[in-house]
Amino acid sequence: EIVMTQSPATLSVSPGERATLSCRASQTVSSKLAWYQQKPGQSPALLIYGASIRANGVPARFSGRGSGTEFTLTITSLQSEDSAVYYCQQYDNWPLTFGGGTKVEIK
Amino acid sequence: EVQLVESGGTLVKPGGSLSLTCAASGFKFGDYMVSWVRQAPGKGLEWVASLTSSSRFIYYSDSVKGRFTVSRDNARNSLFLQMTSVRGDDTALYFCARTYYGSGPYFDRWGQGALVTVSS
Repeated sequence: EIVMTQSPATLSVSPGERATLSCRASQTVSSKLAWYQQKPGQSPALLIYGASIRANGVPARFSGRGSGTEFTLTITSLQSEDSAVYYCQQYDNWPLTFGGGTKVEIK
Repeated sequence: EVQLVESGGTLVKPGGSLSLTCAASGFKFGDYMVSWVRQAPGKGLEWVASLTSSSRFIYYSDSVKGRFTVSRDNARNSLFLQMTSVRGDDTALYFCARTYYGSGPYFDRWGQGALVTVSS
């Protein structure tokens, strides 16, 4: 099983600032990496797939980078509505596995 | 509009059984892989099971293999999860998720979830 590790667990960022979230895989997953956003009380929503491709309707301030074992999700110019937990997920191998999540708080 | 609506969540005793249903609409259900993903209270996401459009291929997490059975009825646009021999760590919100398989599988649409509580 591929273990996905996200850091930090919590990130506190001021509005308008940049947030950088990390996701590491225990073995290479190529670019088969997705990011999800889960706001409080809501179901998750797909943000990024293929490590860097934004899903339909996702604002351009969200960007993903990386391949192999190291990935980042960057939110430039953080907005109040970006307060959420963000999860990465690898889909290179079964079982599909998620990281533990990074909670983004607005200062 | 794509919609996935789960039902069947309930309180069940350890060792008991229950069945969840996901009703899909707004897309051609029979063309898509679909999955169950769960989230224990206050915890992260855990993939449970997936099956391909024709049910030819079915995948389970080790934590549910042999206890849970996933199935679908494309004529009724429905996905099912039969849960048996449930235990406390099965307590979770169970999401139905449309699953993109072409270059995936990843989850491109999610339902609102059905809450399953396992307790005596």
